[in-house]
Amino acid sequence: NAGVTQTPKFQVLKTGQSMTLQCAQDMNHNSMYWYRQDPGMGLRLIYYSASEGTTDKGEVPNGYNVSRLNKREFSLRLESAAPSQTSVYFCASSDTNARVSFYGYTFGSGTRLTVV
Amino acid sequence: GNSVTQMEGPVTLSEEAFLTINCTYTATGYPSLFWYVQYPGEGLQLLLKATKADDKGSNKGFEATYRKETTSFHLEKGSVQVSDSAVYFCALRGIQGAQKLVFGQGTRLTINP
Repeated sequence: NAGVTQTPKFQVLKTGQSMTLQCAQDMNHNSMYWYRQDPGMGLRLIYYSASEGTTDKGEVPNGYNVSRLNKREFSLRLESAAPSQTSVYFCASSDTNARVSFYGYTFGSGTRLTVV
Repeated sequence: GNSVTQMEGPVTLSEEAFLTINCTYTATGYPSLFWYVQYPGEGLQLLLKATKADDKGSNKGFEATYRKETTSFHLEKGSVQVSDSAVYFCALRGIQGAQKLVFGQGTRLTINP
């Protein structure tokens, strides 16, 4: 099925460990996003990539890095995990081509990360 | 900057009750407005949208009207079902800069049989 695929679905890290969250979309969307979801705070944008080859910081980028590997893939890396990064992470994509009506984002099913 | 404020949750209703979840926004110009729904253990799904003032978005019995004069986009449903239990997010996309969505904090809805 077409959509956004995130891996892994669950992960437990120790403080200081590193890991990369993977995201891939097969809808030929140009823009991709990483959000974190915390109780009572909604979704907060970490980083986004408006098009292949570009990345920009969102609202809460500290402690994260991203790579837009190609048009399909957008990874999120935690270099040295901290307990404050315990959260649910969502990847999303959208087609922001000016010639196409904007139908919103398509979200992956999320990665639940716990840092102990 | 752009922002979205939703009514505080959680909201608990009985089946067949009328639902309203309030959403107000702050933005320049005429942003596009959205409601997303998140079922347990899943990602967010687009529920409905409106792109200009007085537009009404509708889907699965849910409706929301873009009210420029009150900067609101309240979600309503006439008769809720147990299967509507989920978290609902209001969001906007501004007219300037990169086309990023800004989300409200979410409202958890529980429907009891």
